[in-house]
Amino acid sequence: GAVVSQHPSRVICKSGTSVKIECRSLDFQATTMFWYRQFPKQSLMLMATSNEGSKATYEQGVEKDKFLINHASLTLSTLTVTSAHPEDSSFYICSALLGVTYEQYFGPGTRLTVT
Amino acid sequence: AQSVTQLDSQVPVFEEAPVELRCNYSSSVSVYLFWYVQYPNQGLQLLLKYLSGSTLVKGINGFEAEFNKSQTSFHLRKPSVHISDTAEYFCAVTERDTGNQFYFGTGTSLTVIP
Repeated sequence: GAVVSQHPSRVICKSGTSVKIECRSLDFQATTMFWYRQFPKQSLMLMATSNEGSKATYEQGVEKDKFLINHASLTLSTLTVTSAHPEDSSFYICSALLGVTYEQYFGPGTRLTVT
Repeated sequence: AQSVTQLDSQVPVFEEAPVELRCNYSSSVSVYLFWYVQYPNQGLQLLLKYLSGSTLVKGINGFEAEFNKSQTSFHLRKPSVHISDTAEYFCAVTERDTGNQFYFGTGTSLTVIP
């Protein structure tokens, strides 16, 4: 099946710094990628839809200036958490849409801890 | 807008017993339906999907689900569970016309008891 990677898998950063998370589709091209945030024991919360070559579409309540998304190629989308705060600590998951099958393939997630 | 309801947040079941995880959705348009499984500290894996055709869909690891349009349900079943099935299960829906934005249920934690 299709493979999506995320890097890093875990990151600890200090409050006020920025962190970049990469999401790559390894064996297929994805014009659309999604970024989710997952809290413990809860479902995935869609943060934004990332479209290659255009601006990301953010869900209501998600600060676009804080969570910067760039989808510069058909295999790479990045999420940058700017000026991180402890409340940004979470599990961030990306997915890539295999358009013809309407299937999303998920990355393994990134555990962000802000101290 | 779509919404997905997973009525059971936790389901304990003994090994080799059957299990059903319930999923209901609300939508005014035609949808595609999915079940995903998440093992601890891992991303989601697709178990099965319904796009069209037969309403009974078979997936990986012996799971199956049945699409019931009149009841707007897509319940997941397995006739005999294994310890390795212990995980979080998520139901998801997307609109046929757009196929873009996915809506997830809150998840069901399945615990298989030896």
